[in-house]
Amino acid sequence: TQLLEQSPQFLSIQEGENLTVYCNSSSVFSSLQWYRQEPGEGPVLLVTVVTGGEVKKLKRLTFQFGDARKDSSLHITAAQPGDTGLYLCAGVNSNYQLIWGAGTKLIIKP
Amino acid sequence: ETGVTQSPTHLIKTRGQQVTLRCSSQSGHNTVSWYQQALGQGPQFIFQYYREEENGRGNFPPRFSGLQFPNYSSELNVNALELDDSALYLCASSWGGTGRPGELFFGEGSRLTVL
Repeated sequence: TQLLEQSPQFLSIQEGENLTVYCNSSSVFSSLQWYRQEPGEGPVLLVTVVTGGEVKKLKRLTFQFGDARKDSSLHITAAQPGDTGLYLCAGVNSNYQLIWGAGTKLIIKP
Repeated sequence: ETGVTQSPTHLIKTRGQQVTLRCSSQSGHNTVSWYQQALGQGPQFIFQYYREEENGRGNFPPRFSGLQFPNYSSELNVNALELDDSALYLCASSWGGTGRPGELFFGEGSRLTVL
């Protein structure tokens, strides 16, 4: 069974601080996606990383795919209250199915 | 707004009952996938439909079934409801060839409570 472990499960920090969320697996994925989900809404895709070692930036968010395509990280610089939400990673396996992590609930306090 | 609409948004059922959830996919999309998201958890893949055929299924029992219609809208049916079926059910549409997932666009979900 393929699993994606996300850590931390919960993070509450002050506005302006930096943070990193991790997504780890023993399985190789063809690509990995990061989503953000607000209460009462479905997940919204932030980014897809495809190549081992790939780094993508989305304003203050930096996404990295591990060299072996088994893990990924999301780093937020100078977090703002608007970054509050549930962050989910999902790996695309060889059957083109998404394997989801359990999510990181992030709260940024003003 | 993703263009994916789900109905109903909330519903309450009792154990043993049956439920049908509906999803209208984004215009131009031919693939619909369904997910179950328990409180505090990530989504779990139920199944996927591509051009009216099921082409992938997660670890869910046969009492979870589905349909995709010629207009690519979809239904999720759950029979003999159990308390553990209480969850947010998410539908996602995408443009896929041979099941390869393109970008997923999610609806807001149907919140099912089983008493």
